[in-house]
Amino acid sequence: EIVLTQSPATLSLSPGERATLSCRASQSVSSYLAWYQQKPGQAPRLLIYDASNRATGIPARFSGSGSGTDFTLTISSLEPEDFAVYYCQQRSNWPLITFGQGTRLEIK
Amino acid sequence: QVQLVQSGAEVKKPGASVKVSCKASGYTFTSYYMHWVRQAPGQGLEWMGIINPSGGSTSYAQKFQGRVTMTRDTSTSTVYMELSSLRSEDTAVYYCARDRVVVPAALLAYWGQGTLVTVSS
Repeated sequence: EIVLTQSPATLSLSPGERATLSCRASQSVSSYLAWYQQKPGQAPRLLIYDASNRATGIPARFSGSGSGTDFTLTISSLEPEDFAVYYCQQRSNWPLITFGQGTRLEIK
Repeated sequence: QVQLVQSGAEVKKPGASVKVSCKASGYTFTSYYMHWVRQAPGQGLEWMGIINPSGGSTSYAQKFQGRVTMTRDTSTSTVYMELSSLRSEDTAVYYCARDRVVVPAALLAYWGQGTLVTVSS
């Protein structure tokens, strides 16, 4: 099983700041890495797929990068609605997919 | 528009089984794979398995092998997830989620609202 490790566990920032979230895979997943956002009481929302492609309707302030084992989700300038939990997910060994444990982005 | 509507909350005793439904609308049901993901209280996302609504083939996470069964009913555009031998650790919100594109890609673009399953004696 491919294990995804996200860091940091919690990130405290202020609106307008830049957020950088990391996801590391236990073995190469090529570019088959996605990011999801989840707000309290809601289902997750797909943000980024295949490392760097924004899903439909996702604002341009969200961007993804990386390949192999190291990936980054960047939010260029935080809006109040961006404070949530973020998960990475690999699909390299479809159909067996795994999620990271999540990074909580909280208001400082 | 794509909609996935799940069945309501359940309370079960340890050792029992639960069957959660997910009714799809707004697209061709048999064209897109469906996944099941669960989330224990305050915890992260855990993938359980996938079903191809066209032929009914399934693939399950090893952790759930032997305890989970995913089925579908094409006449009602509904997929089902049944989990047996429930224990307290199975208390979680269970989500169905549809793949983003017709070619199975394991990109979960559409989600149901979630079904809380509580296992308690």
